[in-house]
Amino acid sequence: NAGVTQTPKFQVLKTGQSMTLQCAQDMNHEYMSWYRQDPGMGLRLIHYSVGAGITDQGEVPNGYNVSRSTTEDFPLRLLSAAPSQTSVYFCASSLMSSGRGETQYFGPGTRLLVL
Amino acid sequence: AQSVAQPEDQVNVAEGNPLTVKCTYSVSGNPYLFWYVQYPNRGLQFLLKYITGDNLVKGSYGFEAEFNKSQTSFHLKKPSALVSDSALYFCAVRPGGSQGNLIFGKGTKLSVKP
Repeated sequence: NAGVTQTPKFQVLKTGQSMTLQCAQDMNHEYMSWYRQDPGMGLRLIHYSVGAGITDQGEVPNGYNVSRSTTEDFPLRLLSAAPSQTSVYFCASSLMSSGRGETQYFGPGTRLLVL
Repeated sequence: AQSVAQPEDQVNVAEGNPLTVKCTYSVSGNPYLFWYVQYPNRGLQFLLKYITGDNLVKGSYGFEAEFNKSQTSFHLKKPSALVSDSALYFCAVRPGGSQGNLIFGKGTKLSVKP
C-alpha cells in the first residue's frame, strides 16, 4: 500500500490565487482529515470527512473548501489564497469501525507559501 | 474546553540517558491518547496509543508511555536515548463523542546530544 499520498510537495502562490491540494489513500479508510501545522501551534484541524459525501468543519475552516466524492480522495481547495494560509498542510486517514481507538495515518505534507 | 498540553517546548538529553516528554490532557469521558513523532520535513509517524487496559503502553523504537488517570497525564519515555531520536513529538487525544478527530498538543522538540 502507498498509504496516504499528497501532492504537490511544495507550492508558491500569489495572494488571491486559488489551488487544490490533493490527498489520496489506498487503505479503504472511512475517515479523512486536513490539518495545518504552524510553528508553536501544533496541528489544527481544518476539515474532516467520515465517508464519501460527508464533510464537516474543524477548528480553522475559513478560506478552505473540501469535498469527498470517493472513499479514496479528499482534496482541499483554497479559494483565494492569503499570506495567513502560508503553512504546512497534512492529510490524515483512519478506519472508523472500531471507534475512537483507530490510529490516524498521515501523509508527507504539502508546504505552501503565499506571497 | 478539551485540550492537550505539552509544557516543554524543548527537551535536551544526553545520549544513553533516559528521556521523558510530558503530556497532560483535559477531556470529557475516557480519553484515547496518542503519541506521534515528526522528523524534519516529514509527516507524522505513529508511535503508540492508549485505549484501555495496562497503564504502561509500549510502542515503536523502544518508546513507552504511562497513562495516569488521576494526574491526567500521558508522558512519553525511553530508557536510553539515541541521537536519532531527535525530532518533534506530538501528544494527541481523541475525546469522547469525537467522530475521529484528534486534538494535538503544540509539540515538544527533543534534542539528544552525543
